[in-house]
Parts: sequence; C-alpha cells; structure tokens
Amino acid sequence: KAGVTQTPRYLIKTRGQQVTLSCSPISGHRSVSWYQQTPGQGLQFLFEYFSETQRNKGNFPGRFSGRQFSNSRSEMNVSTLELGDSALYLCASSLVVGNEQFFGPGTRLTVL
Amino acid sequence: GESVGLHLPTLSVQEGDNSIINCAYSNSASDYFIWYKQESGKGPQFIIDIRSNMDKRQGQRVTVLLNKTVKHLSLQIAATQPGDSAVYFCAESYTTGNQFYFGTGTSLTVIP
Repeated sequence: KAGVTQTPRYLIKTRGQQVTLSCSPISGHRSVSWYQQTPGQGLQFLFEYFSETQRNKGNFPGRFSGRQFSNSRSEMNVSTLELGDSALYLCASSLVVGNEQFFGPGTRLTVL
Repeated sequence: GESVGLHLPTLSVQEGDNSIINCAYSNSASDYFIWYKQESGKGPQFIIDIRSNMDKRQGQRVTVLLNKTVKHLSLQIAATQPGDSAVYFCAESYTTGNQFYFGTGTSLTVIP
C-alpha cells in the first residue's frame, strides 16, 4: 500500500506570492492533518480535515487555509507569503480520527 | 499552546546498548501519545503509540512507558543500532480530532 504522498517536494517562492501544496493520504484514510516544521518552532499543527470538513485548526493566521476533497486528497494554501513561512510542510493521514497517524515526506517551501 | 518538552535535546549511545528517550507532557487530559522517528530529509515515521488507559506497550525492540501521575512518557530502544540514529519526537493528543502537540525532539546518535 502506498504511503502518504506530497507534491511538490520542493518549492521556492518570493514574498507576497501564494502557494498551494497537495497531499494524497494512504488509500482508505479519511483524516488528513497538516503541520509546519521549522527549526525554531518545531512541529506545529495547522489544521485537520475529515470527510471534507475542517475539524480542528491550529494557531496560524488566516493566510493559511486548506481543504479536503471527496477522495480525501487535501490541499493547503498560503497566501501573501512571508519569509517566516519558509518551512517543511508535512501532511499526515489516519484511517479515522484518533488513530495512528502517518506522515508524508513533506514539501520544503523556501520564501525569498 | 500546549507544551510537550523533551528532557534531553541530544543523546549518544554505544551500538548495542539500550536507549531511553524521555518526554514530559503538560496536559493531564491527553489521552493518546505517539512516538515518531525522523531522519534527515524525511517525514516523521510512526514508531509506537499508547493510550492513556495503558502504562506500557511493547513493539519490536521498542517499549513505551506512560506515567500519568507525573505526566511523563519514555521510549526505550533495545540493542540500539546505527540505523536508529535520528531525531525522536513524542506527540500528545487530547482532542476528539487528530490535533497532536509535538515535543521539541531528541537527537539520538548511535556510536558504532
């Protein structure tokens, strides 16, 4: 069974631009969560989707948004990029809520 | 946000020895915990989990201990191998969703 896949793996943007990251969960998994990982802040929760509904949202500004499609694939969008948005963005999926959560390889976003 | 802290940011062990990685969590309502291993350039890899109704859980060469009285979690790795060198994170969850709070991580180095 294929693991969690994320595209693109690497991305370079400039300040003010927007970006969309994609995540395909493990087949059959309906819960998708997004995390931001930086050296200074560690792993921080962004949001979680289950059955196309956002269930939880972390403490991030409104520039960070996401959605989930009917096939459980998820996208996250960051608008008006700032230098501080440079990070590894990780997607994790689980079969159902409150179950083992498996991570993808991440998308490395660099904002110049 | 919640604080999930690791006692030691770095740990070096001899190959073949046992490793113990500790984690203190702050929320007594946390009911689900996961240990992850993250190698350079990769997403976190699920190692083992434990729910709050258990004190101990064993996997292949790994054991997780949960002490709810002092809000402490530990990961024991038996017969540590060079391939175990990585950063280890503990994560706690206390919501009905999949919102996890991660510790800062402990870097484990195995000395051949």
